[in-house]
Amino acid sequence: AQRVTQPEKLLSVFKGAPVELKCNYSYSGSPELFWYVQYSRQRLQLLLRHISRESIKGFTADLNKGETSFHLKKPFAQEEDSAMYYCALSPLSGGYQKVTFGTGTKLQVIP
Amino acid sequence: DAGVIQSPRHEVTEMGQEVTLRCKPISGHNSLFWYRQTMMRGLELLIYFNNNVPIDDSGMPEDRFSAKMPNASFSTLKIQPSEPRDSAVYFCASSLGKGLPGELFFGEGSRLTVL
Repeated sequence: AQRVTQPEKLLSVFKGAPVELKCNYSYSGSPELFWYVQYSRQRLQLLLRHISRESIKGFTADLNKGETSFHLKKPFAQEEDSAMYYCALSPLSGGYQKVTFGTGTKLQVIP
Repeated sequence: DAGVIQSPRHEVTEMGQEVTLRCKPISGHNSLFWYRQTMMRGLELLIYFNNNVPIDDSGMPEDRFSAKMPNASFSTLKIQPSEPRDSAVYFCASSLGKGLPGELFFGEGSRLTVL
């Protein structure tokens, strides 16, 4: 079974402060991890994924297989980062791409 | 491409009524997913299809829920009879479904309120 845990429902930070959104996963095989974001009145969309190793909008995420974590980080929060963030997991192999999401964390950046 | 298209955007119905939600995936995408979003549970995977075939429906809450994909460009999620606890936003998403796990493209969602 595959499972994604996001322990925080709400995270409030001041503008300019560092941000870390936590994500832990459980999966017996090799996973691909994603972060999706839902801005107000917009569709849920991909922010970044592990396999791309990219930094998007200043966000990065490192896969730690030992701790089974994929935390999302940004050194300096901006007001426009306020949104709902979902961590997601999909098997890297097996043919079918069952994508499982966590419960989400609402990030609130205080001006 | 207009992206994934869902209808209706909003639905208010009374307990016991049948509800049908519709989805048109992005052309050329082989995988289609139905998710339910609530404050308490976040995004729950209900069912997903690959090449129009249901692959995993273990997330469907109970027999009141059913989903079909009669062709590559259309899917429905039906709730019969509906109950107040079914109130949520239902999302449809599609992906290429080939090779490495790909990006999911989401519709705008169907907000269901069951009174």
